[in-house]
Amino acid sequence: SQQGEEDPQALSIQEGENATMNCSYKTSINNLQWYRQNSGRGLVHLILIRSNEREKHSGRLRVTLDTSKKSSSLLITASRAADTASYFCALDNSGGYNKLIFGAGTRLAVHP
Amino acid sequence: GAVVSQHPSWVICKSGTSVKIECRSLDFQATTMFWYRQFPKQSLMLMATSNEGSKATYEQGVEKDKFLINHASLTLSTLTVTSAHPEDSSFYICSAVGDLKRESAYEQYFGPGTRLTVT
Repeated sequence: SQQGEEDPQALSIQEGENATMNCSYKTSINNLQWYRQNSGRGLVHLILIRSNEREKHSGRLRVTLDTSKKSSSLLITASRAADTASYFCALDNSGGYNKLIFGAGTRLAVHP
Repeated sequence: GAVVSQHPSWVICKSGTSVKIECRSLDFQATTMFWYRQFPKQSLMLMATSNEGSKATYEQGVEKDKFLINHASLTLSTLTVTSAHPEDSSFYICSAVGDLKRESAYEQYFGPGTRLTVT
């Protein structure tokens, strides 16, 4: 399967703690993207990391990519209750056609 | 900028009827749109890739005669679920890719989704 595999499937933390989600995959990729989805809603793009990049930051988000291990991680620092959502990694290995294969997702619950 | 809308946001239909879902890019031209379906607490599964002015490309296992896709303009793609059955009940999400010359060429902008319930 080309699908990314994420772990953990679910994560429950307290506000202020950091949350780390991991994504592993099996194929080569052009880029890997992380998305957030609130329950029953559309997806919001968080970060895109290209295959030749190792780390990217955006506000409280930090994404790493290790192509040798075929894995990526998303770190949310100083989490807030509003960060409660499902987080998906998505692989683009379509050679420029922007076709994404989504992982199973991690359901994050941040408790006040 | 980069807003994608879907209409309707939810729909209930009877088994055997057809339902059309619209996906519009409101402030940019989308050369490519994608259609996904998502079952409860599951991931998004890509159904098809829709390119303006050409036939859609369907993923393996997706029936093209059942899920008709039309991308008639650079701002509109439609998905028609024909002869819907209860197992077609799902959350359908579209996304759009804009001008590939821009920095954010790889970013997909997602619509809010359409929840289809077939009774």
